[in-house]
Amino acid sequence: AQSVTQPDIHITVSEGASLELRCNYSYGATPYLFWYVQSPGQGLQLLLKYFSGDTLVQGIKGFEAEFKRSQSSFNLRKPSVHWSDAAEYFCAYNNNDMRFGAGTRLTVKP
Amino acid sequence: DTEVTQTPKHLVMGMTNKKSLKCEQHMGHRAMYWYKQKAKKPPELMFVYSYEKLSINESVPSRFSPECPNSSLLNLHLHALQPEDSALYLCASSQDGTGRETQYFGPGTRLLVL
Repeated sequence: AQSVTQPDIHITVSEGASLELRCNYSYGATPYLFWYVQSPGQGLQLLLKYFSGDTLVQGIKGFEAEFKRSQSSFNLRKPSVHWSDAAEYFCAYNNNDMRFGAGTRLTVKP
Repeated sequence: DTEVTQTPKHLVMGMTNKKSLKCEQHMGHRAMYWYKQKAKKPPELMFVYSYEKLSINESVPSRFSPECPNSSLLNLHLHALQPEDSALYLCASSQDGTGRETQYFGPGTRLLVL
């Protein structure tokens, strides 16, 4: 079955440290992949997306993600985390219907 | 402009009330979506409208009734809800609902059913 997996339910990093959030997908063809961020009680904001082409995509707020077909992964990275990055992060793919991972909650320590 | 707006932001209703949630976008998108999101869970798709026609209904109870008056507006009519329907209701839109598209989300309506 097609699915998206975010292995980490909760991650804590120190402010200024680097961040990597993992996402794996299960789908035969190249899916349309997305990362969304959700602050408490808010809607989902699109961080970045991958459809085709360059496998390293840049997004808003200093985030980037790399598509690796061999590993069926689309991990999100940021070189230096800010306190305002604390939120829930959802990986998703869209192949006629949007499927979300379970989400990773990011806590940022001062 | 990639903005989807939703009203109201918060709604408290009793189980016998009738209320409506509203969603609006002016991006020229022809597909609009309703999602339900419980705490600490990902959004769950409820309905999809494509070109003002209901194209997907994910076996949602009839106490939820969607309506798409035009390509910019999407409503969700609520009647005789249960406490377990309390959740964040998110609206989204995309180009035309043919799949493999970016969906843009509104801020949501936080619903509490007493």
